[in-house]
Amino acid sequence: GQSLEQPSEVTAVEGAIVQINCTYQTSGFYGLSWYQQHDGGAPTFLSYNGLDGLEETGRFSSFLSRSDSYGYLLLQELQMKDSASYFCADYSGAGSYQLTFGKGTKLSVIP
Amino acid sequence: DVKVTQSSRYLVKRTGEKVFLECVQDMDHENMFWYRQDPGLGLRLIYFSYDVKMKEKGDIPEGYSVSREKKERFSLILESASTNQTSMYLCASSPTGTGLYEQYFGPGTRLTVT
Repeated sequence: GQSLEQPSEVTAVEGAIVQINCTYQTSGFYGLSWYQQHDGGAPTFLSYNGLDGLEETGRFSSFLSRSDSYGYLLLQELQMKDSASYFCADYSGAGSYQLTFGKGTKLSVIP
Repeated sequence: DVKVTQSSRYLVKRTGEKVFLECVQDMDHENMFWYRQDPGLGLRLIYFSYDVKMKEKGDIPEGYSVSREKKERFSLILESASTNQTSMYLCASSPTGTGLYEQYFGPGTRLTVT
C-alpha cells in the first residue's frame, strides 16, 4: 500500500529556517511532490523531486533520498504569509494517474 | 494561468438528496480528479478521469459517481447524500506526461448534508 508520514504541526519564527519531513512507504514509488494550502484556499503546487537530491525554487527547496524513503521541504527566510498547511504527495507513475497525499503539516510562523 | 472553477463554494443539502458538483478547467488538461478533504485526514481521492468518458475509482469511491462528457468538465454525483459526506470537495486537473505530479486545484466546495 501507500502511506506518507509528516508531522501534524510545526511552529517557527519569522526570518528563520524550517524543515518539514516526509517519509513514505510506497510500492512503485516514482517521485515526491509538495503542495501549500492556506486556510480556506486551494492547494497549490510547490515542487517535485523525481531524482535524489535538492531542488531549489526561491526561498523553498525540496529534497529526496530514495534509499531512505525520505524527503523534506525547506523554507528559508520565513515570512508570516508562509503560515499554511504543507502536504507531501507521492506519485507512483508507471501508468498510475494518482497522487497520494500525506495528512499535511500545519506551519505557524510567529513574530 | 490554469483556471479550475467549481460550481459552488458552499452547498447545503438534505439527507437523501441527489447532489451534483461541477468542475470546469480551461487548460485542455487530459486528467481530472475529485478529492475530499477532512480535518486530520488530508486529501483523499474519490474518482479520476484520464480522458473523456473514462473514469477510474480512487481510494474512497463508495457513495459517489462521476461523469465526464466533455474534456473540460468533470462532475461528481452523490447519489443519495448522507451526513458522513459533509466535507470539502476539491477538483483538480493536470496534463498528461510530466504534469501528472503537478495538479491544479479549484477553490473547493464546502458541502454540508443535514
